[in-house]
Formats: sequence, structure tokens, C-alpha cells
Amino acid sequence: IAGITQAPTSQILAAGRRMTLRCTQDMRHNAMYWYRQDLGLGLRLIHYSNTAGTTGKGEVPDGYSVSRANTDDFPLTLASAVPSQTSVYFCASSAGVADTQYFGPGTRLTVL
Amino acid sequence: SQQGEEDPQALSIQEGENATMNCSYKTSINNLQWYRQNSGRGLVHLILIRSNEREKHSGRLRVTLDTSKKSSSLLITASRAADTASYFCATLPISDYKLSFGAGTTVTVRA
Repeated sequence: IAGITQAPTSQILAAGRRMTLRCTQDMRHNAMYWYRQDLGLGLRLIHYSNTAGTTGKGEVPDGYSVSRANTDDFPLTLASAVPSQTSVYFCASSAGVADTQYFGPGTRLTVL
Repeated sequence: SQQGEEDPQALSIQEGENATMNCSYKTSINNLQWYRQNSGRGLVHLILIRSNEREKHSGRLRVTLDTSKKSSSLLITASRAADTASYFCATLPISDYKLSFGAGTTVTVRA
């Protein structure tokens, strides 16, 4: 059982480029989340999806978009990357909104 | 905004000693969760404690929750070098059910 996979593991991106971070879970969890982790700030929620077909904005949604076409996949898109989006991005999932979250290994993104 | 705040920010202990870290939060919660993160890795769930619970154990871990003081503590007993990691508390507010993480406590266990 893989749990949650993320791709790519790391990426260096020129500012202004479009980028999609992929996230797939095989636990049939209803809820999925995207966080960014910056030094000294812990994790901050970007977007979430409580169930397939629905999405919502978290604490820091600007510059990011998500879609949830099915239960397993929850891609995060940066339409036009900026240097302030340099961060480590974690995808997570949970059975329900009040349940334990399971995290992927992360994607380290550098925007130059 | 981050609701949980961990204290201390960093902790260095000798192998075999106990490590205690605290978490304070601001609003009413459904539950509070503790996670561990090894350097360069994703977060791993340790314990979830619900608002109507006061204490939970898991192996060498003990978590307490005091909702009247809006605080929680994580105790790691008989620490090992492998316990070296960052520990995060995360609160699930009843207002929006979005998990809010603190900045974490970095624990170093010296051999």
C-alpha cells in the first residue's frame, strides 16, 4: 500500500511558468489537503477538498488552484509561479474532516 | 493563522531522558493532534486526542489535554536517538474544521 504519493520530488522553476504538483492517494479517503511548509512557520493550508467534486480555500490560497475530479487525485496548480512560492509542499488525506491526516513525502519547489 | 503554539521551540536532551513539549491554542476545538517530522520527510501522525478526553497513551508517548487552559502536552519517555525530529501540534477548531499547525518543537536526543 503506497498511501500518498507526490510528484515531482523536487523542481526548480522559472518565475512566470505554470506548474502542477501531483498528489494521489490509494486509501479511498474522502478529504484531501495541500499545505506549504516554510521555515519557522509550520504548515499552512492552501486548499482542501472534503469530498470528490468539491474544493475550498485554506489560509493561503492566492496564486494556487486545485481540482478534485475523483477520489484519488488532487493536483495543485501554480498558474504563474513567483519566487514567494518557493517552499516545500505537502499533500495529505483523511477519511473524514475530523480524522487523522496522512501526509505524502512532499515536493520541494524553488522558483527563481 | 496558526492557532497552536508549541513551547519550547527547541529541546536538547540526553538519550534515556524524558522530553516534554507543550502546545497552547486559542479557540474551541474538536480534537488536537500531534505529528512528528524527521528532517526532509513528511509528517507522521502520533496521537489524536478529542476534546472530551484528558489523556492518551501510545507506547512511550503520553498526551494530555486541558481544554479549560486551552493547552496540551506531549511527553516522550526514555528518549532514543531515533526520536530526534520536529514535533507539531495541530488543532481542529469546531468553527471551521480546518487543521491548524503550530511552528513545532525541534527535539535533539544526544547519544
